[in-house]
Amino acid sequence: DGGITQSPKYLFRKEGQNVTLSCEQNLNHDAMYWYRQDPGQGLRLIYYSQIVNDFQKGDIAEGYSVSREKKESFPLTVTSAQKNPTAFYLCASSIGQTNTGELFFGEGSRLTVL
Amino acid sequence: AQSVTQPDIHITVSEGASLELRCNYSYGATPYLFWYVQSPGQGLQLLLKYFSGDTLVQGIKGFEAEFKRSQSSFNLRKPSVHWSDAAEYFCAVAIFSGSARQLTFGSGTQLTVLP
Repeated sequence: DGGITQSPKYLFRKEGQNVTLSCEQNLNHDAMYWYRQDPGQGLRLIYYSQIVNDFQKGDIAEGYSVSREKKESFPLTVTSAQKNPTAFYLCASSIGQTNTGELFFGEGSRLTVL
Repeated sequence: AQSVTQPDIHITVSEGASLELRCNYSYGATPYLFWYVQSPGQGLQLLLKYFSGDTLVQGIKGFEAEFKRSQSSFNLRKPSVHWSDAAEYFCAVAIFSGSARQLTFGSGTQLTVLP
């Protein structure tokens, strides 16, 4: 079945450590996105990529980095510069340039910084 | 600036009762509109979407939504709520950013269903 796979589902890290969250899709979608979700704040866009080897900052990119070396993969690194990294992270994809905006989501990764 | 407002942070209904979740948007052109549902600890699932045409759209799980241009609203409804409908619901509007559409989400409405 086609879909988006995020891993790990749960992740615990010590303060000051970098963490990389994986996102893989087999939907053949061009565009991929990372959102952060905090209680009561909805979804906030971190980074997005509309094509391989290109990505743009979203609304809250500070303290995060991404890469898009393959169409299927869009990993997110939460760096030590992110002041409050504990959150639920959602990866999504969409068809691409001619898309309607409709997003397909993974199951999410919950990061807890101790 | 474009925005999506969900005025109700939390709604509680009894099982079998009707449900209406409100969504208002601010956007100059006719938007593409979506409702998503999220169960605890899960990703978002698309319930329904509106692009054009008939302003009453049907979705999965017995949900429907009505687009009202004059009120800039896209409210979600269900005639009879089931306990399994307890979840968080997000309204979203797709707007152009560069050459592609991007989704802007409301802050969500948490639905509790009483037995």
